Amino acid sequence: QLQLQESGPGLVKPSETLSLTCTVSGGSISSSSYYWTWIRQPPGEGLEWIGSIYYSGSTYYNPSLKSRVTISVDTSKNQFSLKLSSVTAADTAVYYCARVSKNAGIKWYFDVWGRGTLVTVSS
Amino acid sequence: DIQMTQSPSSLSASVGDRVTITCRASQSISSYLNWYQQKPGKAPKLLINAASSLQSGVPSRFSGSGSGTDFTLTISSLQPEDFATYFCQQSHSTPYTFGQGTKLEIK
Repeated sequence: QLQLQESGPGLVKPSETLSLTCTVSGGSISSSSYYWTWIRQPPGEGLEWIGSIYYSGSTYYNPSLKSRVTISVDTSKNQFSLKLSSVTAADTAVYYCARVSKNAGIKWYFDVWGRGTLVTVSS
Repeated sequence: DIQMTQSPSSLSASVGDRVTITCRASQSISSYLNWYQQKPGKAPKLLINAASSLQSGVPSRFSGSGSGTDFTLTISSLQPEDFATYFCQQSHSTPYTFGQGTKLEIK
């Protein structure tokens, strides 16, 4: 059974870089059938797609975050990672990693999620 | 960006009720629409993809319909475990966007 687990610091100082890793177990991140994604949710608010990556390294980013976001993949470790630079209090959120599957090869959906990790931006 | 608007924002219902949640896109998204259920402190769970395709393992009381700009999620007979927040999400074009959520509460 595929499982995803987020890891990284729970507290980041303003202006610094938030770094999280998602470890995939029970399946290969190098499968040609899937993308992998990061999504966040500020406390008590809705969901925001951050970006997605293919095992080859191909990425898609949310334009609202693109200048600050880097998503990378390490197939040897079956992991993908998120870096968000120059963080502010507005970046405080639960960060989820998830698998992206496709209906009919083109209609994306997020079908397997990690449990999420709360990252607080505060000095 | 494509804006997704759900209605209502909150809803009170009783066990056994039939409930419908609506999601409207700011432009046509064909059937590139997914529904998720989220319980407090938990990750969202995929219920329906491509507007009407029930995810494996999801009870058949959940159904989705719609195309273009207007979509609905229907729960045919509410069960106690269905009280949660529901989100729609479009995958027609990036950035992928979510509705603001509909909180389903016990009456």
